[in-house]
Amino acid sequence: KNEVEQSPQNLTAQEGEFITINCSYSVGISALHWLQQHPGGGIVSLFMLSSGKKKHGRLIATINIQEKHSSLHITASHPRDSAVYICAVRSIGDNTDKLIFGTGTRLQVFP
Amino acid sequence: DTEVTQTPKHLVMGMTNKKSLKCEQHMGHRAMYWYKQKAKKPPELMFVYSYEKLSINESVPSRFSPECPNSSLLNLHLHALQPEDSALYLCASSQASARRVTFEKLFFGSGTQLSVL
Repeated sequence: KNEVEQSPQNLTAQEGEFITINCSYSVGISALHWLQQHPGGGIVSLFMLSSGKKKHGRLIATINIQEKHSSLHITASHPRDSAVYICAVRSIGDNTDKLIFGTGTRLQVFP
Repeated sequence: DTEVTQTPKHLVMGMTNKKSLKCEQHMGHRAMYWYKQKAKKPPELMFVYSYEKLSINESVPSRFSPECPNSSLLNLHLHALQPEDSALYLCASSQASARRVTFEKLFFGSGTQLSVL
């Protein structure tokens, strides 16, 4: 079992729909990242969370530390939101932290 | 300037070639990272430099040789690669603690798509 699990693996939506992507993890963490990767490679950091909720434009990220779960919500989805969304957790090690990636959620939003 | 610039964007090389990937940032970040990403897989950490010193080497084969000539530049020298090394190579940078690699908010470049023939 992966230390970071995302669901769903693939998601299709019509433009305007509300979208939720989930991330569960099994290790102790100091922070959780939500990343976006468009076809062609570049990765953009959307959020870094250690508690509560953050909002940026149409994107909302929440985290529940006790339940080891985070969600990324996209309101009023648009075709330009089509990308792979990756959850990554920062876990504290003895000598160095580790960044553990989930396998990603591939989102396609159709007009 | 919040960009991490990687060159080249695409590279095709034979197994006997020597090539280098370059990464540059001007955000004052003192931690820089190389990741390898195969198609439809998450990125895999290769190397981390912290304050221009190699802090983490994730048991990467010696045909990959990293170099950090100064705080803004990170290179990855490639020699005698295998076809299975074909992947997207991503560079990233972040703030750094002098005592440990903390993987604070990472800024990624757009990657070099490498094909080894």
